[in-house]
Amino acid sequence: NAGVTQTPKFQVLKTGQSMTLQCAQDMNHNSMYWYRQDPGMGLRLIYYSASEGTTDKGEVPNGYNVSRLNKREFSLRLESAAPSQTSVYFCASSGSTNTEAFFGQGTRLTVV
Amino acid sequence: QQQVKQSPQSLIVQKGGISIINCAYENTAFDYFPWYQQFPGKGPALLIAIRPDVSEKKEGRFTISFNKSAKQFSLHIMDSQPGDSATYFCAASTWHDMRFGAGTRLTVKP
Repeated sequence: NAGVTQTPKFQVLKTGQSMTLQCAQDMNHNSMYWYRQDPGMGLRLIYYSASEGTTDKGEVPNGYNVSRLNKREFSLRLESAAPSQTSVYFCASSGSTNTEAFFGQGTRLTVV
Repeated sequence: QQQVKQSPQSLIVQKGGISIINCAYENTAFDYFPWYQQFPGKGPALLIAIRPDVSEKKEGRFTISFNKSAKQFSLHIMDSQPGDSATYFCAASTWHDMRFGAGTRLTVKP
C-alpha cells in the first residue's frame, strides 16, 4: 500500500548542477502536483498535471521543468540548481483536481 | 501575495483545551477548503475538509467553521491531546489550483 513514493529522500547539489526528482503513485489518480515547502511559507505549488499528457505552471515554476511520463509518474527537473531552490519538495496526487490530495514523504534538497 | 492567510503561526494549548486556527482567503473561485496535518519528517495528510455550501463540518474532535461572506474558515480541535502536536495547514482550492496557508505549529502540553 505505497500511495505516493518520492525518490530520493535527501540530496545535496552544488550550484549549477542538475537533477530530477522522481514521483510515482499507485492509486490510479489523474492529477499530480509538485510543491515546495519553506519555513513560514507553507506549501507553494510549482507545477501540476491535471491528467496524463498535460502539465501546467503553478505559483512558483521558475527554474523547474516537469514531465508526466505516464499516469503513474510525474518528475520534477532542476536544470541548473541555485541556493534559492534549497527546500523540501513534496509530490502529491488526487483522483481529480479539487479533491483530497495524498502526499509523498518529501525530498529534502540542499543546494550549496 | 499570499492568497490564503493563516493565523496564528504557533499555538500552545494545555491538554484538554480547545485549539483554534483561523484562515482567510481572497479568491472567491475557491470551492474546496481542506485542512492538512503534518508531523515532522512526514508529508501532509488530510484531516478534514469542507465545501462552501455548508457552514460547519464536524469529524470527531475536529470541526471546521466556514463563513462564506467573510471569506474565512477555522479549525477547532476540542479536548486537545499531546498527540495532536503537529503543524496544521489550511488550504483553498479551485479545480486546478490548491493554495496553502503558511502553517500553524500546535503544541499541546500534557
